[in-house]
Amino acid sequence: DAGVTQSPTHLIKTRGQHVTLRCSPISGHKSVSWYQQVLGQGPQFIFQYYEKEERGRGNFPDRFSARQFPNYSSELNVNALLLGDSALYLCASSLGTGRYEQYFGPGTRLTVT
Amino acid sequence: AQRVTQPEKLLSVFKGAPVELKCNYSYSGSPELFWYVQYSRQRLQLLLRHISRESIKGFTADLNKGETSFHLKKPFAQEEDSAMYYCALPNYGGSQGNLIFGKGTKLSVKP
Repeated sequence: DAGVTQSPTHLIKTRGQHVTLRCSPISGHKSVSWYQQVLGQGPQFIFQYYEKEERGRGNFPDRFSARQFPNYSSELNVNALLLGDSALYLCASSLGTGRYEQYFGPGTRLTVT
Repeated sequence: AQRVTQPEKLLSVFKGAPVELKCNYSYSGSPELFWYVQYSRQRLQLLLRHISRESIKGFTADLNKGETSFHLKKPFAQEEDSAMYYCALPNYGGSQGNLIFGKGTKLSVKP
């Protein structure tokens, strides 16, 4: 099993641009969560999707959006990028209902200049 | 509000010494707590779940509800234990995919 995969690994964008990050969960996992990790901090929750529906949203502006596809993969979209959006974006998958432990991907390092 | 506190940003010990990484949480019920570890250039990995009462790589953690703590311990540290360690608590007021993480403790084990 390849584990959770994310693409791209690194990304450099300019302020005001849009970015799409992708995640494939572990086979059999139906829940995908997104986290933002800035330097020196622990991961901070952005979204959770389960069975293609949004099940949770963290304290992030509407510039952040996500979706989950029928194969349970997911995309995180960020519009109108700001310098402060520079961070490591982590995707985590879990079985879903009633299970809190999550398994993380390697992350996408986003740099906004 | 639920919170996880890891009071030490950096913990430095010598090989063979005992190590304790502190984690305190704020939650009034019976939480399910986790320790995650991130080795250099590797992904965040689940190390321990308190409900499993397991020992992984010699690490153990006991939930102390009275002190609202879930400290991670190892009797004899090894150089390969050097990593970032994060304590995490489910956000019981949010979705099941929502973990609240502490800021992490960097463990450095010196030879």
